[in-house]
This record gives sequence, structure tokens and C-alpha cells, in this order.
Amino acid sequence: GAGVSQSPSNKVTEKGKDVELRCDPISGHTALYWYRQSLGQGLEFLIYFQGNSAPDKSGLPSDRFSAERTGGSVSTLTIQRTQQEDSAVYLCASSLVGGQTNYGYTFGSGTRLTVV
Amino acid sequence: SQQGEEDPQALSIQEGENATMNCSYKTSINNLQWYRQNSGRGLVHLILIRSNEREKHSGRLRVTLDTSKKSSSLLITASRAADTASYFCATDDQAGTALIFGKGTTLSVSS
Repeated sequence: GAGVSQSPSNKVTEKGKDVELRCDPISGHTALYWYRQSLGQGLEFLIYFQGNSAPDKSGLPSDRFSAERTGGSVSTLTIQRTQQEDSAVYLCASSLVGGQTNYGYTFGSGTRLTVV
Repeated sequence: SQQGEEDPQALSIQEGENATMNCSYKTSINNLQWYRQNSGRGLVHLILIRSNEREKHSGRLRVTLDTSKKSSSLLITASRAADTASYFCATDDQAGTALIFGKGTTLSVSS
């Protein structure tokens, strides 16, 4: 596609429920990243995928968070048993090649998650 | 992991004035990037400067990098109301895999 597509754009869920957030990167971009941004804060790195390699999960805040990337393209971020502190905007980005971060990222518009 | 820190946190100027934002970081980098974010949603890549470069221009944007001071600046000349946004610097992490972002500078340009 022309850009990075994220869905849904907004999600309101009850505390304790599971949610799935989807990211469709730019075609041909091998690297995919998930970040989280709380209100008025910077971006917190969550997870990085490079092609079909094992992901860098070092930023995931707890074992309630997981992500997968199927066929080196679409990615799904899953949050189990959501808590109120999970409320944030979840941003996905892709880049042509990962590794040395020599390429700029293209971001999606994000999913605003609200846990009530 | 290292993190860029922008300064000031907020900046208010009039249209036509220049806006300067600074970024400091902690450890050696391969490159430094600047992004803009409107309305708390997706970020837009503005410019990338490599560690062996000292200055780079793109339209009304000028970025400098001083690796000895571990700092960078973003200058927006002849600002417009449409430049109102948050600006973030980002550096690669120690593993060189993912960008680490600062908390940003919120720029407000009034007409």
C-alpha cells in the first residue's frame, strides 16, 4: 500500500479483556516496529521485526504483551488482560531495511486504546 | 538504552520567526533523525543526519550535529502556522536495531 495502515483507529475496551491491534506495513519494507505513546510523552519502543527473523522483544513491558508478523508482512500486537495503564496510542512503523537504522521510518496513524 | 532529550519542552513563536530546537543524547550514534507529529498521531520523518555529517538542509529545515557535544539542533526558518506540531529527535539504540525517541518539543506558531 501507499502508507502504513493501522486498525482499528480507536479501541475502547473493558479492563481484563484482550485486544488485538493490526499493522499493515508498506509493501517491500522488511523492518516493522511497534511503539507506545502515553499522553504527552515520547515514544516507548515495544518490539522490532526484521523480515522473517526472530523479533527483538526487549521493549515489551510485560508478558501480557505479544506480537507476531505473518509472512514478513502484516503484524498483530496482542494485549491480554488489559489494564488501565495500557491506555495509550500504539504506533506502528516500517522501514526499508532494519539493523543500522540508516533509513527513516514511515509511521501509521496509530491506534488509540482506552481501557475503562 | 540511550535517549535523545529535546530542549525546550515547549516553544511559542510568531509566524515568520525562526524556531530552534535542541537534542542531546548520551552515547555514540550511527545517525540522528528528526520527526514531526501532528495531533498526537503518526510521526513524519523530516531528516536524517549521519554521524560523519555536521550540517544538513532540507527546504526550510537546517539540522546540525555535534558529536563531540553529543547534541543536535533543528532550525525551522520563516515559520508558518502549519509548522505547529511536536518535534522529536531519535537516535539508534546500542544494538543499532530500533530508534529511541525523546519526549519532544511542542512548537506553537501563531499568526
